[in-house]
Amino acid sequence: KAGVTQTPRYLIKTRGQQVTLSCSPISGHRSVSWYQQTPGQGLQFLFEYFSETQRNKGNFPGRFSGRQFSNSRSEMNVSTLELGDSALYLCASSFGSSYNEQFFGPGTRLTVL
Amino acid sequence: QKEVEQNSGPLSVPEGAIASLNCTYSDRGSQSFFWYRQYSGKSPELIMSIYSNGDKEDGRFTAQLNKASQYVSLLIRDSQPSDSATYLCAGPGETSGSRLTFGEGTQLTVNP
Repeated sequence: KAGVTQTPRYLIKTRGQQVTLSCSPISGHRSVSWYQQTPGQGLQFLFEYFSETQRNKGNFPGRFSGRQFSNSRSEMNVSTLELGDSALYLCASSFGSSYNEQFFGPGTRLTVL
Repeated sequence: QKEVEQNSGPLSVPEGAIASLNCTYSDRGSQSFFWYRQYSGKSPELIMSIYSNGDKEDGRFTAQLNKASQYVSLLIRDSQPSDSATYLCAGPGETSGSRLTFGEGTQLTVNP
């Protein structure tokens, strides 16, 4: 069974731009969660989508948004990029509830200059 | 207040020794905990899940959950240099609104 895939793997943007990241979960998984990982803050929860609905949201500004499609693929968008948005963005999929085991994709490394 | 806390690292053990990693949590109602291993530059990989009090063994790994004391631990027996990584403890988050809250991670180095 194929794992979680994320595209692109690396991105370099400048302040003020926006970016869209994509995640395809493991086949049959309906829940997708997004996390931001930085050296200083560790792994921070962004949001979770289940059956195309945002089910949970972390403490991030409204510049961070996401959506999920009917095939469970998910995208997250960051608008008006700031230097502090430089991080590894990880997507994790699980079968149903997020209390299930979550499996991470390889991540997207975003650098904001 | 952090919901999941890991003992401060880094932790260094000789090859063949037992590595012990610990994590405490604040939510008494938490039912499930997970241990992830993350190699430098890679994403976290799930290595153990534990849902009930007691021990769960999988090969060289043993996860222990003690709900009365609100801690969860991971023991790695016969540690190998390939076990050198950061280990993340995760449990259900509540106050942050997240479904999984991660500890800061413990960096383990196994010396040949």
